[in-house]
Amino acid sequence: GQQVMQIPQYQHVQEGEDFTTYCNSSTTLSNIQWYKQRPGGHPVFLIQLVKSGEVKKQKRLTFQFGEAKKNSSLHITATQTTDVGTYFCAGVSSNFNKFYFGSGTKLNVKP
Amino acid sequence: GAGVSQTPSNKVTEKGKYVELRCDPISGHTALYWYRQSLGQGPEFLIYFQGTGAADDSGLPNDRFFAVRPEGSVSTLKIQRTERGDSAVYLCASRQGTGGTGELFFGEGSRLTVL
Repeated sequence: GQQVMQIPQYQHVQEGEDFTTYCNSSTTLSNIQWYKQRPGGHPVFLIQLVKSGEVKKQKRLTFQFGEAKKNSSLHITATQTTDVGTYFCAGVSSNFNKFYFGSGTKLNVKP
Repeated sequence: GAGVSQTPSNKVTEKGKYVELRCDPISGHTALYWYRQSLGQGPEFLIYFQGTGAADDSGLPNDRFFAVRPEGSVSTLKIQRTERGDSAVYLCASRQGTGGTGELFFGEGSRLTVL
């Protein structure tokens, strides 16, 4: 079945350092979405990527979708303490019936 | 309502008991999903409703788990003969059925502890 793997599992950075999390799927994805879950909270949607090779930016966050639509990355430039949380990618089926979540990357930012 | 509402927020029960978890999605959202999240893991798909019908229940782990959405709005996840391994946070999410961005809106979750 569909599997979405994410690395690293944990990342500890000093405030101001950059951070990247990677997502890989065993099969070609229709779309990919990224979510952020703050400690004790629920996942909150960040962005959706649809096209092969797509790159989207949200302030300090840059999201990429691979050419083969099997991998994706999220890069945060100059992390802040407000970036703390777990970042999940979710592979989406073409009819939006299923969202396959990765295991997440937990980011800790030291002030 | 303004967001997805889940009740109860916390449920502690004994092994073998029956449990119901309720989800009230965002008004007008026709798609509703149940996920289970264990500590340190990503959300694990359980079941998906489009309207009143379960369009995909392939994630339900066994026949002790059942979910309904009789009027196409509120959904109830039912767990019979609970086991300690059922302990997790049960997340409900809704999505606008057609159009929109396709994003999932999650509730705060129901934390189930089976003693």
